[in-house]
This record gives sequence, structure tokens and C-alpha cells, in this order.
Amino acid sequence: DAGVTQSPTHLIKTRGQQVTLRCSPKSGHDTVSWYQQALGQGPQFIFQYYEEEERQRGNFPDRFSGHQFPNYSSELNVNALLLGDSALYLCASSYLSGGAGDTQYFGPGTRLTVL
Amino acid sequence: QKEVEQNSGPLSVPEGAIASLNCTYSDRGSQSFFWYRQYSGKSPELIMFIYSNGDKEDGRFTAQLNKASQYVSLLIRDSQPSDSATYLCAVTRFSGGYNKLIFGAGTRLAVHP
Repeated sequence: DAGVTQSPTHLIKTRGQQVTLRCSPKSGHDTVSWYQQALGQGPQFIFQYYEEEERQRGNFPDRFSGHQFPNYSSELNVNALLLGDSALYLCASSYLSGGAGDTQYFGPGTRLTVL
Repeated sequence: QKEVEQNSGPLSVPEGAIASLNCTYSDRGSQSFFWYRQYSGKSPELIMFIYSNGDKEDGRFTAQLNKASQYVSLLIRDSQPSDSATYLCAVTRFSGGYNKLIFGAGTRLAVHP
């Protein structure tokens, strides 16, 4: 049973650049949530996708955008990168249609460093 | 006041002891509660979830929920050095018609031989 996968593992960018992170949910899951985790902090909710639509959004600027594809995989895009965007970006999947949308399983994360 | 509060620790316990991790939350409407374990440099791993008041046991782990007092705890029996990690508490918050997970900052547990 394939778990949640994310790519790339690590990424180094410079200020002002744009980045795209990718996530494939656990087999059988239909919902993808994205989180940002700064060092020493808990994950902060960015947004959630279900049925290819953004269902909810946390307190993140419009520079953060996303997409969900028909196969349930998802992308997170961040434009105009700032130094403060350096963090571990986590994707979590869940099975909303099965009534277990709250139970989320995390991927290994993408470590983004902005120089 | 943070929505989900945890003592940052470190909580240091000897091997074989019971580790008790606590979490309080502010939203009385929260319905689902989760404990995740996160090793340094890794992603969070789901340990347990609990929805109803009382205790829920899974192996060496017991989650306790008291909605009236708005706290949830995790007990780890027979603690092992491999349990040394940061433990994240997460609760759901209903907003805009949907639930979303709100995390605490985590409690660092150190189990020493």
C-alpha cells in the first residue's frame, strides 16, 4: 500500500523565484492538505483540496497557490519567494468521501531553503 | 491565547517509565483529536486519534480526552529511547463549513537509558 509521496526532497531557491512542490496521496485517499512547518513550530495549515477545488485556506498570502489533478495528486506553488518561506512543506492526505477526512497521513515533506 | 497549547519540554523520563504529554485547546466545538510523533528531520507520523471523552488504548499508548476541561493527553507506558521525539497534538476546528486541523507546537520527549 503506497503511502503519501512528495517531490522533491530538498530544494534551494533564491529570493523572488517561484517553486512548485508535488504530492501524491495515499492509495484510496481523495483529499490533500498542505502545511508549512518552520523550525521548532507545529505544522501551519496552508490549504486543502478536494474534488480538484480548494475547500479551505489558512492565513497565507495569495503567493501560495495550489492545484489538484483528477488522479488526486496535488501541487503547491509559491511565487516571489521570501527568506521567510524557508521551511518544511508537508502534504497530508485523507479520505473525505469515506467520512475520515479528519484523519490525515503525512508525506516525507519537502525542505525548501530560500537564499 | 494559542488555539492548541503544549508544553515545549523537553520532558525527560527514564527508560521503562510512563511519559505523560498534555495538550489544551480553546475551541469548544472541536470534535476530533490527534497525536502525531515527529522525529528530528522527519515528517509527523500518526499515533492515535480520539473522538469521545475517556480513554483509548493502543499498545503502549493511551489517549485521554476531557472535552469539559478542553484537554487531551497521551500516556506512553514502558517508555523506550526510541520514543524520544517531538509529539504534536492536533485538533479539528470547524470553519467555513469544513473541519481543519490545528496543531500545537509540540512537546519534546527525551527517554534516557
